[in-house]
Amino acid sequence: SQKIEQNSEALNIQEGKTATLTCNYTNYSPAYLQWYRQDPGRGPVFLLLIRENEKEKRKERLKVTFDTTLKQSLFHITASQPADSATYLCALDRVAGNMLTFGGGTRLMVKP
Amino acid sequence: GAGVSQSPRYKVAKRGQDVALRCDPISGHVSLFWYQQALGQGPEFLTYFQNEAQLDKSGLPSDRFFAERPEGSVSTLKIQRTQQEDSAVYLCACRAGGGTDTQYFGPGTRLTVL
Repeated sequence: SQKIEQNSEALNIQEGKTATLTCNYTNYSPAYLQWYRQDPGRGPVFLLLIRENEKEKRKERLKVTFDTTLKQSLFHITASQPADSATYLCALDRVAGNMLTFGGGTRLMVKP
Repeated sequence: GAGVSQSPRYKVAKRGQDVALRCDPISGHVSLFWYQQALGQGPEFLTYFQNEAQLDKSGLPSDRFFAERPEGSVSTLKIQRTQQEDSAVYLCACRAGGGTDTQYFGPGTRLTVL
């Protein structure tokens, strides 16, 4: 069956460092992959989308890579800030145009 | 408002009660999704509407769950004879069109079944 794995353990880093989060998937050939941020008591908020034919995407301090051979995406936040502390979710399409399948999320804690 | 709203934000039900959760999507957004999120987990797909048509309900966990969007805007997720395992946050999301448009999520309704 399809499986999307994110590190369930919280990631603790110091302010100013680069945070790197991992999303691995199996039994899956997504057309695109998205990253969302979720704060406690709120719904997920879209951050970045990367397509299967793209290797890398950047937006301000955020960078996403997508390796369809390794079946892995890496999500980087450079110059991290305490305000970046949240849970980050990766999501893959099952059928283009329809719903997303989410990983379990990784909680990021940036300490000042 | 410009975002997705859901009501109520919190709902406590006794086991066996019926509940109805409402989603007001962004005006004009064609696609609407319901997800269920257990504590510490990612959202799991329940059902999908395109306008008023329910095109996919493969994620609904049992026939106690029912969703509708009769006029292609507001949607209601109904859970009959609630069970403790139904306790979760129910998220609504909408999308302007099809394809790879961004999904916009509401704040969710936290359902607790005692």
